Amino acid sequence: QVQLQQTGPGLVKPSETLSLICAVSGHSISSNFHWGWIRQPPGKGLEWIGSIYHSGSTYYNPSLKSRVTISVDTSKNQFSLKLSSVTAADTAVYYCARHSLVHAPFDPWGQGTLVTVSS
Amino acid sequence: SYVLTQPPSVSVAPGKTARITCGGNNIGTKSVHWYQQRPGQAPVLIIYYDFDRPSWIPERFSGSNSGNTATLTISRVEAGDEAVYFCQVWDSSSEHVVFGGGTKVTVL
Repeated sequence: QVQLQQTGPGLVKPSETLSLICAVSGHSISSNFHWGWIRQPPGKGLEWIGSIYHSGSTYYNPSLKSRVTISVDTSKNQFSLKLSSVTAADTAVYYCARHSLVHAPFDPWGQGTLVTVSS
Repeated sequence: SYVLTQPPSVSVAPGKTARITCGGNNIGTKSVHWYQQRPGQAPVLIIYYDFDRPSWIPERFSGSNSGNTATLTISRVEAGDEAVYFCQVWDSSSEHVVFGGGTKVTVL
């Protein structure tokens, strides 16, 4: 059974880069699946950040595209998120998730990581 | 960009039926997925491709999609169904995943 385990700092300073990793177990990240990141500000709804195909091709939310980088490390069976120039508005719970096609549902999800942007 | 509209809240008595709508322009032409999120937990997929249901999700949960509205129906509501429910689509025109704002279901 596939499981996604997230790691990364819970506190990032304004203007710095947020970095998170999602380690995949029970499934090869090199298979024909997409791997995505979604975030949820406290008390608010879900916002898709972007996704990556196993080949490395990416597609991002236009509102975040200029600051987002998603990459895959097949040797470690994991993928990562980098969000640059963060502000308090980027404070959120960040989730990683798998989807089989661009229009497919996200399933399963990682456990979530609360990232707070504060000095 | 494509917008999905959900009512912020729905209240329902135990044993009754809750209907949660997800409105979008010609949403009936898109595939809609639904998630349940309990407090402090990650979202869980409960309905995919409009009406399909993972095997571990009770038959009380069902989905439909037509015209400008997709609907998640919860029959014989139980206290454990209290959660926030989100709809989601892929907007092919903008190549963008879109989520609805979420609906909080309260069991009276």
